Amino acid sequence: QSALTQPASVSASPGQSITISCTGTNSDIGNYNYVSWYQQHPGKAPTLMIYDVTKRPSGVSNRFSGSKSGNTASLTISGLQAEDESDYYCSSYTSTTTSVIFGGGTKLTVL
Amino acid sequence: QLQLQESGPGLMKPSQTLSLTCTVSGGSISSTTYYWSWIRQHPGKGLEWIAYFYYGGYTHYNPSLKSRVTISADTSKNQVFLKVNSMTAADTAVYYCARQIHGSGSYPFDHWGQGTLVTVSS
Repeated sequence: QSALTQPASVSASPGQSITISCTGTNSDIGNYNYVSWYQQHPGKAPTLMIYDVTKRPSGVSNRFSGSKSGNTASLTISGLQAEDESDYYCSSYTSTTTSVIFGGGTKLTVL
Repeated sequence: QLQLQESGPGLMKPSQTLSLTCTVSGGSISSTTYYWSWIRQHPGKGLEWIAYFYYGGYTHYNPSLKSRVTISADTSKNQVFLKVNSMTAADTAVYYCARQIHGSGSYPFDHWGQGTLVTVSS
């Protein structure tokens, strides 16, 4: 069982928007703006998409955005494209171990 | 351009010690700006941070693995190493080397190696 909880799967059609949630506790998401999101295509290494809840690394499309409310962080992808079909993982700093923990991952299907 | 390349045994037997090497090019592991981490991913499962190495020899471990894991580095060769003792089938996973940003509270992993699959089987 992963430390952060994500839905196993989400799906939507091209052009639509989706939001993936990531739920933690007061020891991680709830008390720190230290959430990251990663995209992972099959057989490939993860790629950083969002960090510090809302920041995008250089080169990441502005169709990707992050937010947080309470113990839940969210990744929103707007204007879905076929290439967005992938697994997405959230992560957060946790004061419990002063390290990083991950969610179990969400498989995004673009219909 | 930063590149990270993992190397390891591929297949090993239960109870053996895993030794992995991450060779970094295009950047220095002696930089004070970054940590150098190992992360693993069990087949079809999520990600698990294992440990990181930081400039000056500072290390930090996932408490769930700390008793069996050692991370170290050779700055002259720009390499980071991971040893895991007493391997079992439950340690079968893809092991990634990744650069982690120091100074950002999220400690994000901004560059990853391609990963190396380690299978433990008798």
